[in-house]
Amino acid sequence: DVKVTQSSRYLVKRTGEKVFLECVQDMDHENMFWYRQDPGLGLRLIYFSYDVKMKEKGDIPEGYSVSREKKERFSLILESASTNQTSMYLCASSFSDRDYYGYTFGSGTRLTVV
Amino acid sequence: SQQGEEDPQALSIQEGENATMNCSYKTSINNLQWYRQNSGRGLVHLILIRSNEREKHSGRLRVTLDTSKKSSSLLITASRAADTASYFCATDNRDDKIIFGKGTRLHILP
Repeated sequence: DVKVTQSSRYLVKRTGEKVFLECVQDMDHENMFWYRQDPGLGLRLIYFSYDVKMKEKGDIPEGYSVSREKKERFSLILESASTNQTSMYLCASSFSDRDYYGYTFGSGTRLTVV
Repeated sequence: SQQGEEDPQALSIQEGENATMNCSYKTSINNLQWYRQNSGRGLVHLILIRSNEREKHSGRLRVTLDTSKKSSSLLITASRAADTASYFCATDNRDDKIIFGKGTRLHILP
């Protein structure tokens, strides 16, 4: 069964901490994505990557960075966590050719910053 | 940026009835996708319809696409309690990412 695995389902961190959210896929997908989901705002794209060591800013990259050192792993980094980064974070991956297949999502990480 | 917008925002129906959700978007697309999200979980890809297709079926799901009206509909027939979830449309243009709408919350009543 193909999978996108996010390292934590729930996470509580303190303001100012550096936070790492990990995402691993086993489908040999080229593309990987990080979204955050908030009530009333839907899914908003933070960062995405088409290949190892490359990254592109999404719609709301401020306060975040990413790392993709290996094809299967895409990490989201909150440099200095703030309470307004409390949210559900969703990782997704896809093939380059998206004309036949959509995104595969992980189960999400619910992050609370206190 | 273009965005799919679902309608209605929320829908409650009796088990066994059909559920219809609509999605409108603003600019031309390569394909349109529907996803389901159970409470507190990730999204699950349901069906993809390409811009040159008008209708697609998958089990109890039927999706239509009208590119002239820039709209799509998702029909779930013979609904079940397990269909209770949020449903999102996502539009994929020839850019490098897809954009999600805000979703329709579907509640199936016993």
